[in-house]
Amino acid sequence: LAKTTQPISMDSYEGQEVNITCSHNNIATNDYITWYQQFPSQGPRFIIQGYKTKVTNEVASLFIPADRKSSTLSLPRVSLSDTAVYYCLVGGVYNQGGKLIFGQGTELSVKP
Amino acid sequence: GAGVSQSPSNKVTEKGKDVELRCDPISGHTALYWYRQSLGQGLEFLIYFQGNSAPDKSGLPSDRFSAERTGGSVSTLTIQRTQQEDSAVYLCASSLAPGGADYGYTFGSGTRLTVV
Repeated sequence: LAKTTQPISMDSYEGQEVNITCSHNNIATNDYITWYQQFPSQGPRFIIQGYKTKVTNEVASLFIPADRKSSTLSLPRVSLSDTAVYYCLVGGVYNQGGKLIFGQGTELSVKP
Repeated sequence: GAGVSQSPSNKVTEKGKDVELRCDPISGHTALYWYRQSLGQGLEFLIYFQGNSAPDKSGLPSDRFSAERTGGSVSTLTIQRTQQEDSAVYLCASSLAPGGADYGYTFGSGTRLTVV
């Protein structure tokens, strides 16, 4: 099973760019990398997904190096409302039977 | 429906009673998942349904837990003889493709279960 390692917590200030890196050394060939955001008392919300190189959407960017053993979620100009737990997941159809295993996540605290 | 719907949103039950939690996934999503999240903890995988295949029950913590999915749509998670350690938020998610390989999982708002 592909295990992920990410910082337990991070602090930032409004307007800064935040980069959260996740390590997944034993990622399998068919695995996707997906990031979720979770606010208190809510279910996780899909942010971004990628397989290799760079993916960008209206919320974030995801950088994946060529060896795919890590990935970095980049949040541009964070605001107070970005305070949440961010989960990095690795998995897919051909690994773990399709289920995704959540790690502990990174608790991001954005301060004014 | 537009999203994943779970009911009830809150459930308080006495120790030893059985409870049923319901999940109504997004229409057309073939994969359905149940997770459990204890206070301040990450998500713990419980069970996974994919189409008509046998479910992956590898995450169920004991034989008091069971789940079914009728007609490939609505799912019910049943906990028999509830214990205080079962208190948690139970989250259901569905996805278009197994493992969220398309646009990821869509989660419901969860059922907060409190066993007293």
